[in-house]
Amino acid sequence: LAKTTQPISMDSYEGQEVNITCSHNNIATNDYITWYQQFPSQGPRFIIQGYKTKVTNEVASLFIPADRKSSTLSLPRVSLSDTAVYYCLVGGGGSARQLTFGSGTQLTVLP
Amino acid sequence: GAVVSQHPSWVICKSGTSVKIECRSLDFQATTMFWYRQFPKQSLMLMATSNEGSKATYEQGVEKDKFLINHASLTLSTLTVTSAHPEDSSFYICSPTGDYNSPLHFGNGTRLTVT
Repeated sequence: LAKTTQPISMDSYEGQEVNITCSHNNIATNDYITWYQQFPSQGPRFIIQGYKTKVTNEVASLFIPADRKSSTLSLPRVSLSDTAVYYCLVGGGGSARQLTFGSGTQLTVLP
Repeated sequence: GAVVSQHPSWVICKSGTSVKIECRSLDFQATTMFWYRQFPKQSLMLMATSNEGSKATYEQGVEKDKFLINHASLTLSTLTVTSAHPEDSSFYICSPTGDYNSPLHFGNGTRLTVT
């Protein structure tokens, strides 16, 4: 299973862009990269998923370099409500292989 | 789409009793169910994986006789914590899936407190 490494915590201010990078050196060919957001006492919520290059949706962008050994979640203009733990997961790709959660990144958005 | 319903959201029980947690996929069929446990300030830890109609596969260190998993239908799975003890107090989260190319969706979790 691909192990992921993320910063434990990050602070930002409202209105700023936040970039959270995840390392996954042993990502497999079929693995997708997925990011989740978790608020206290709630289950994780899907943010974005990608395989290579760049993916953008209404809430975030995901940048994946050619070697796919890392990925960066970009949150544009964060607000206080974006304070949460963010996890990157590597896996899936058409198999029932379970996804292993890393330590996650606690993002704190300050006013 | 991908609506997951997990109940109860919280439960308090006495040591030695059993607690059942239900997880339903409301708008899709879940051939696989992942059960996670999360202690305060920690990440989610996978406890077991179950496939509909089959016995669950437990992760190392998770007692299969203590955490009974039933996945008898494509829309319902249950986790029963038997003879609960205070150290079983945790946040339990289910994740049903039927499409391995799609992102996982999670229940809202069950906060179990054993007194």
